Amino acid sequence: SQTIHQWPATLVQPVGSPLSLECTVEGTSNPNLYWYRQAAGRGLQLLFYSVGIGQISSEVPQNLSASRPQDRQFILSSKKLLLSDSGFYLCAWSPRAGATNEKLFFGSGTQLSVL
Amino acid sequence: GESVGLHLPTLSVQEGDNSIINCAYSNSASDYFIWYKQESGKGPQFIIDIRSNMDKRQGQRVTVLLNKTVKHLSLQIAATQPGDSAVYFCAENIAQRGSNYKLTFGKGTLLTVNP
Repeated sequence: SQTIHQWPATLVQPVGSPLSLECTVEGTSNPNLYWYRQAAGRGLQLLFYSVGIGQISSEVPQNLSASRPQDRQFILSSKKLLLSDSGFYLCAWSPRAGATNEKLFFGSGTQLSVL
Repeated sequence: GESVGLHLPTLSVQEGDNSIINCAYSNSASDYFIWYKQESGKGPQFIIDIRSNMDKRQGQRVTVLLNKTVKHLSLQIAATQPGDSAVYFCAENIAQRGSNYKLTFGKGTLLTVNP
């Protein structure tokens, strides 16, 4: 069965520090991968998605970047964190090839607090 | 802005009652819809989905209804239990080029079940 791992679960970082959140998927190949951010009491905002190694699409201009060095690895990064980067970050995957309209499977999330 | 929204941000019900959570969408090209449940501090979990060629779909204690005429989606939970307390999100998908696709999420409804 497929599983998605996301870490760390919580992170407290000072303003201006770098960020690296990692997400890996097991049990599937060629997944679409996604990073979402969720502000407190709000919905999910799509930040990045990837359809393959090295292929990253950014949905909103921001202080963050994403990379996909391996098929089942998705990394969210920042060189210098801002206060506004605080939030709950969720990684997700979905099947890529074949049937369309497939649901997303989410990781457990990372609660990032920038102080 | 978001094309998916919810009529009620909060819903409080008594244990054993039925719950109905509503969602409106604005894009008539949306062809696939999903309901997710998110408990505090966790990632969203898939509940049920429905394709645009259907009006109704039933799962275990849950039913999703789709009214394409008025672009309305609802989630019905039968015999609501305390464990159903969570934020519920609807999400819509518009088929993208090839097999790639993105979900757009609503803001969510907080369901509170009173014992």
